[in-house]
Amino acid sequence: DVKVTQSSRYLVKRTGEKVFLECVQDMDHENMFWYRQDPGLGLRLIYFSYDVKMKEKGDIPEGYSVSREKKERFSLILESASTNQTSMYLCASSPGQIDVLTFGAGSRLTVL
Amino acid sequence: GEDVEQSLFLSVREGDSSVINCTYTDSSSTYLYWYKQEPGAGLQLLTYIFSNMDMKQDQRLTVLLNKKDKHLSLRIADTQTGDSAIYFCAETRLYDMRFGAGTRLTVKP
Repeated sequence: DVKVTQSSRYLVKRTGEKVFLECVQDMDHENMFWYRQDPGLGLRLIYFSYDVKMKEKGDIPEGYSVSREKKERFSLILESASTNQTSMYLCASSPGQIDVLTFGAGSRLTVL
Repeated sequence: GEDVEQSLFLSVREGDSSVINCTYTDSSSTYLYWYKQEPGAGLQLLTYIFSNMDMKQDQRLTVLLNKKDKHLSLRIADTQTGDSAIYFCAETRLYDMRFGAGTRLTVKP
C-alpha cells in the first residue's frame, strides 16, 4: 500500500527550539507539499517542492524552511519555534501533473 | 474572492441526505476535489470531478458542478454515523492545490 509517512505524530517543543518534521513518500512522486491545518482556516500551503533540491514558497512560508535532498523525503524546519506555530502539519505528495494529493496522517505540534 | 469557501458546520440525522457546498475561485481548474478527514487522520480523496462535467455519481455520493457560478456541491445519500468527518473541497492551481476551510459534518443517530 503506497503511502506518505510522517515520522512524528505528536510533538511538544519549547519556544525557541529548532524543530524538524520529516515526511517520506514511497510513490516516486515529483511533487511534495507541506500544509498547516488550523480550525476554521482549512489547509494553508507553507512550502512545496517539484523536484529534488527545488523549493517554492507557498502562502505562509514565514518562520519555516524546507529541505529536499532526496526525491522521497521532504523536511519542514522551524528554526526557532514560536507559540503561533502550534498546529497540525500535513505533508502530501503528487505525481508530475498536479493531480490527486496523497496525504500523510499529520504531525500535531504544540509549542509551549 | 481569492479563497475557496465552504460553510464550517453541518448537522444531519442518520438516514437523511447531506449536502455540502463550496465556492471555488479559479475557472481554469481542471479538476475539483472532495477530500474527507476523519478524526486524527490525514485527508483522503473522496471523489473528484473533471471540469467539463456537470455531475458525477459514485454510489452514495453525487457531485454537482456549476461552472458559471463556480459552485461545487457534494451530496451524501442515506448519511451514516461513519460519514461524520470534515469534508474539504479543493481546486487545482498551476503548482499546488487550494483547499477550503472544511465542513464538519455531524451525523446524529
